[in-house]
Amino acid sequence: EPEVTQTPSHQVTQMGQEVILRCVPISNHLYFYWYRQILGQKVEFLVSFYNNEISEKSEIFDDQFSVERPDGSNFTLKIRSTKLEDSAMYFCASNGFRTDTQYFGPGTRLTVL
Amino acid sequence: KNEVEQSPQNLTAQEGEFITINCSYSVGISALHWLQQHPGGGIVSLFMLSSGKKKHGRLIATINIQEKHSSLHITASHPRDSAVYICAVYGGATNKLIFGTGTLLAVQP
Repeated sequence: EPEVTQTPSHQVTQMGQEVILRCVPISNHLYFYWYRQILGQKVEFLVSFYNNEISEKSEIFDDQFSVERPDGSNFTLKIRSTKLEDSAMYFCASNGFRTDTQYFGPGTRLTVL
Repeated sequence: KNEVEQSPQNLTAQEGEFITINCSYSVGISALHWLQQHPGGGIVSLFMLSSGKKKHGRLIATINIQEKHSSLHITASHPRDSAVYICAVYGGATNKLIFGTGTLLAVQP
């Protein structure tokens, strides 16, 4: 069964460093999302992406964040200068149509020291 | 105020019990998801529904659009059902998911 994959599973970085989180959505999906979950809190929407551009972004998704689909398979989230409060689990999701079920990747746990 | 509220926040049940988790939302939605999150963190979609009722094995989900309320039922609960159950609604122009805080379910043998 097709699945969304994410790498790395765990990333540890120093405050101020840039990180890139990678996702490979399901191959025929067209809509892509990033969510994050700070430990002990609910999952929060970051950004949605369709047709090679951002469709919607949340207040969390400031200038430090960017997304890219550099080729036909990868979908990346970049954090330019990480802060302690960026420590969280980051989930990628995708669906084939906007109203379809979203399929989630296993997540990347980001730890900023 | 949260746009999606779940109750209870924590639930402990004995194996075999019938379990109900409730979700209320305050925004207009096109559909509602019930998701399961295991201790490792992964999120799995259980149901997506926009009206009526859906059943999958021992899980049943219902939604009342007029009352902005949904319930997830687990029949004959089992310790392997222990997880966090999350209600999330599709909202906004791009159908982003708006998540509830989750219900931590522990089923004891």
